[in-house]
Amino acid sequence: NAGVTQTPKFRVLKTGQSMTLLCAQDMNHEYMYWYRQDPGMGLRLIHYSVGEGTTAKGEVPDGYNVSRLKKQNFLLGLESAAPSQTSVYFCASSQDRETDTQYFGPGTRLTVL
Amino acid sequence: SQQGEEDPQALSIQEGENATMNCSYKTSINNLQWYRQNSGRGLVHLILIRSNEREKHSGRLRVTLDTSKKSSSLLITASRAADTASYFCATVVLNDYKLSFGAGTTVTVRA
Repeated sequence: NAGVTQTPKFRVLKTGQSMTLLCAQDMNHEYMYWYRQDPGMGLRLIHYSVGEGTTAKGEVPDGYNVSRLKKQNFLLGLESAAPSQTSVYFCASSQDRETDTQYFGPGTRLTVL
Repeated sequence: SQQGEEDPQALSIQEGENATMNCSYKTSINNLQWYRQNSGRGLVHLILIRSNEREKHSGRLRVTLDTSKKSSSLLITASRAADTASYFCATVVLNDYKLSFGAGTTVTVRA
């Protein structure tokens, strides 16, 4: 039981390049989330999903797209990376909508030059 | 915008001492949760307290919630070096069902 895993762990991009971050969970959770963490700002929600085939915008969705084609996977895409997207990205999942206790992946550290 | 704010931003204590950190929030909540993040790792859920609860314990952790003041506190008793981490409060706003995180308190436990 691996919990929540993220691929890759580190990535360096040049401005304008694109990439996809993969999140996978093996707990059969319905809800999945993508956050970014910047120094001194805590975690901010980018996009989330309440089930397979659904996505919704969070607090800071601009410049990102997501897809949830399979229940266990949640993909985060950057179509044209910008230096402002340099951050640590965390994926999380949860099963209980009411309490929303979330399980986090180890994070992806992205640098955009 | 962040719903919760932790205080202090940083805390340094001696091993064996207690550590207390506070969280204030802005709007009515369904529940409030505390998470721990070790350096370079993901967040780990510690404890959840519902809006109709006032105090909760889990091992060396004690959480209080005062909904009239829109505030919560996390107490770690008899701290250990392994407690060195950042601690975040997160709220689930009524009828929203998404977590909103504060900026965190960084706790350093000196041996």
